[in-house]
Amino acid sequence: DSGVTQTPKHLITATGQRVTLRCSPRSGDLSVYWYQQSLDQGLQFLIQYYNGEERAKGNILERFSAQQFPDLHSELNLSSLELGDSALYFCASSPLEGVEAFFGQGTRLTVV
Amino acid sequence: GIQVEQSPPDLILQEGANSTLRCNFSDSVNNLQWFHQNPWGQLINLFYIPSGTKQNGRLSATTVATERYSLLYISSSQTTDSGVYFCAVIITSGTYKYIFGTGTRLKVLA
Repeated sequence: DSGVTQTPKHLITATGQRVTLRCSPRSGDLSVYWYQQSLDQGLQFLIQYYNGEERAKGNILERFSAQQFPDLHSELNLSSLELGDSALYFCASSPLEGVEAFFGQGTRLTVV
Repeated sequence: GIQVEQSPPDLILQEGANSTLRCNFSDSVNNLQWFHQNPWGQLINLFYIPSGTKQNGRLSATTVATERYSLLYISSSQTTDSGVYFCAVIITSGTYKYIFGTGTRLKVLA
């Protein structure tokens, strides 16, 4: 158990819908990262927060947004979902920026 | 942008065999991690190794940052070692995001 908690573990939803994925970092970790892994693909960086502030952005679609709250948990919002958004979404956390990161178990999103 | 390439892409071993996985990166890096993604999709930290050599049981890793590569050694492989192995790097000049390699898919046969 990495100490990073992601909910829900599985999510099935229809095209056009909106979902929210939640991440609770390890206790004391200030940095949160979101990654997307499509079927049989590598991990693509989406966005990173540090102590509530957005610090880095990857190829995140405009339909996707995220935030980190004062209690340091983070949410990834995916809207106007398409079939191609089906993927495993990972959250990771680290105490500071650029040090060892630990990953949650992921949320498996299926868009039908 | 930085390229992170892993080799071989696929590897099949008999139980008990040894193997070496390689990670090459095209830019200077501050940090490097190795992960094992098991068949259930979990990403498990193996090593945090920006430079030098570390060992943990049957696994060891070496990073030579000046030559831009890292190696993961698996000895006496077991079926539970099956899965995909990723290296991930943070480049020196840039933001603090881990960039993942292409992965090595390992299958260990009983």
